[in-house]
Amino acid sequence: EPEVTQTPSHQVTQMGQEVILRCVPISNHLYFYWYRQILGQKVEFLVSFYNNEISEKSEIFDDQFSVERPDGSNFTLKIRSTKLEDSAMYFCASSARRQGRVNTEAFFGQGTRLTVV
Amino acid sequence: DAKTTQPNSMESNEEEPVHLPCNHSTISGTDYIHWYRQLPSQGPEYVIHGLTSNVNNRMASLAIAEDRKSSTLILHRATLRDAAVYYCILTSGGGADGLTFGKGTHLIIQP
Repeated sequence: EPEVTQTPSHQVTQMGQEVILRCVPISNHLYFYWYRQILGQKVEFLVSFYNNEISEKSEIFDDQFSVERPDGSNFTLKIRSTKLEDSAMYFCASSARRQGRVNTEAFFGQGTRLTVV
Repeated sequence: DAKTTQPNSMESNEEEPVHLPCNHSTISGTDYIHWYRQLPSQGPEYVIHGLTSNVNNRMASLAIAEDRKSSTLILHRATLRDAAVYYCILTSGGGADGLTFGKGTHLIIQP
């Protein structure tokens, strides 16, 4: 069964450092997303990406965050200068059709646990 | 997106049916009802979705009230592997891209 894969599974970084979280979405999917989940809290939408540009972003997704699809398979989330409060589980997701506008199934990866120290 | 209300937790026995309720009294005519679940230490996983009619798939059934102000996710025969947080989420045709997760219902399965 096709799946979304994320690397690394766990990343520890020092405050102020840049981190890049990587995702390989399902190959024929067109819509890509990042979510985060702070320990013990809700899953929160960060950003959606379609046709090589950001489709929508939440208030959380400020100038410190950026996304990129550098080639035909990878989808990355970059945090420019990490803060302690960026510590969370980050989930990548992909769907064949857009979430929220058309009923569609989103496939989530297993997540990257980011710890900022 | 319209808001949903779910119980914080529910407990059931293994191999028995489980009915997980969700209230969405402000649902609009174009809102779809989605259910996702999150097993411990994993990403969310799609379960089922519907608009007006009841739906069945290999994982579960979705029963939607006639006025669409509530719905129930039915696990016909719960296993220990079904222990997870279950999220009821509405998606609207004119709404945001992202799924809005609430706190969900923490389902505990007793052996």
